[in-house]
Amino acid sequence: DADVTQTPRNRITKTGKRIMLECSQTKGHDRMYWYRQDPGLGLRLIYYSFDVKDINKGEISDGYSVSRQAQAKFSLSLESAIPNQTALYFCATSGGPGGGNQPQHFGDGTRLSIL
Amino acid sequence: TQLLEQSPQFLSIQEGENLTVYCNSSSVFSSLQWYRQEPGEGPVLLVTVVTGGEVKKLKRLTFQFGDARKDSSLHITAAQPGDTGLYLCAGESLQGGSEKLVFGKGTKLTVNP
Repeated sequence: DADVTQTPRNRITKTGKRIMLECSQTKGHDRMYWYRQDPGLGLRLIYYSFDVKDINKGEISDGYSVSRQAQAKFSLSLESAIPNQTALYFCATSGGPGGGNQPQHFGDGTRLSIL
Repeated sequence: TQLLEQSPQFLSIQEGENLTVYCNSSSVFSSLQWYRQEPGEGPVLLVTVVTGGEVKKLKRLTFQFGDARKDSSLHITAAQPGDTGLYLCAGESLQGGSEKLVFGKGTKLTVNP
C-alpha cells in the first residue's frame, strides 16, 4: 500500500463546481503539503500544515482552502472551480522532529480538469 | 521570494552520453534536494546535499552543492534510457522559521536508445 494516498486520481468537472481532493498518509508524519504542477512551471506550494492545529498559506493559495482533519488527513478544496485551476495536484508529507533537511514524500497526484 | 532557476528545461540525448543539470539561485538555502519524477507518479527523492561544497554520488549520478549554498548541479555519466524522467531541484528555505521547499521548474530528460 502507498504511504501517501491521494483520491481521486483523476477528475473532470465543470466551472463553478466545488471540488475536494483528499490525501491520507500512513507515515506518521506531522507535516503535510499541497502543491500544483503545471507544465513548465514546476511545483508550486498551495498550503501547508505542520500539525493538526497549524495551517499556512503557500505561494498560490487564492481560490483554494484546506482542512487538516487529523494527523493523517489533509484535504484541499476548490470552492468554485475555474478553468485555470486545471493542473496536476500533489500531496506530500515530511517528518522529523524540529530540524530541517527532511525529504518530502509525495502521493501519485490527482489530475484535475475543469471545463 | 526565493527562486531556483533550473536549466536546461529540456534535454534529449543518446544513450552513453554525459549530461549536467544546473540549479541556481541568488538566495542561500539550508539544503538542496534533488527529485526524479516519472509520468503518472509523484517526485521521489534522489539525494539531499547540506554542506557547502558537498559532493554526493549515487551510482552514475553525481550531485554537488555550491560553496555558498546558492547553487547545485546534477551530472549523469553514460546516460541510459532508464534515466529518462523529470528532474527537480528543491531548496529548503528557513524563512520565517518554517521549513519549506522551493522547487525549480524541472529538467525533462529523454535518453534515446
